[in-house]
Amino acid sequence: AQSVTQLDSHVSVSEGTPVLLRCNYSSSYSPSLFWYVQHPNKGLQLLLKYTSAATLVKGINGFEAEFKKSETSFHLTKPSAHMSDAAEYFCVVRGYGGSQGNLIFGKGTKLSVKP
Amino acid sequence: EPEVTQTPSHQVTQMGQEVILRCVPISNHLYFYWYRQILGQKVEFLVSFYNNEISEKSEIFDDQFSVERPDGSNFTLKIRSTKLEDSAMYFCASSERVRGGTGELFFGEGSRLTVL
Repeated sequence: AQSVTQLDSHVSVSEGTPVLLRCNYSSSYSPSLFWYVQHPNKGLQLLLKYTSAATLVKGINGFEAEFKKSETSFHLTKPSAHMSDAAEYFCVVRGYGGSQGNLIFGKGTKLSVKP
Repeated sequence: EPEVTQTPSHQVTQMGQEVILRCVPISNHLYFYWYRQILGQKVEFLVSFYNNEISEKSEIFDDQFSVERPDGSNFTLKIRSTKLEDSAMYFCASSERVRGGTGELFFGEGSRLTVL
């Protein structure tokens, strides 16, 4: 069965410094992986997705993630944090076979950005 | 940019009452979903819907839950007799397709349900 583990429940960075949000996945098959972001009182917005094409995936707002099969990781990074990046971030894997419509969410990582 | 809209944004109800949460998916999308997030817990899949029938449901989606697309635009989630543990944020989502594993899900802003 597919699953994702977000290694940090809360990450705090200073504005202008790099962001690293960690995610490990478990999958019996080649996974489809996503990062979603949720700003306060807003819906879930797709940041980026990996679907077995390039292993380095670029998303919106300067975020990117690298799929590393050997490490079963899909960490989210950004070179320089902005105050508007403060939000909750979810690593997500798509279910397989008959469960392709079923997204399996990690517990989320809350990102705080200090001025 | 097209978006998924949900109403109400917040509903407070008494235990045992029926609740209907409404969603308007993106107009050319064919697949519809409900997810929920209990406070402090993971976002969990409830149900997916395609071609006017449920295509998949989780263990959470028991007989007290139902979904329908009554008029070709709205997609509703009904909870027949609410329980305290139904208190959660409910997210509606839609996608163009799901087969092939690349159909992106677009989520609404959520409906917060509080059961007293």
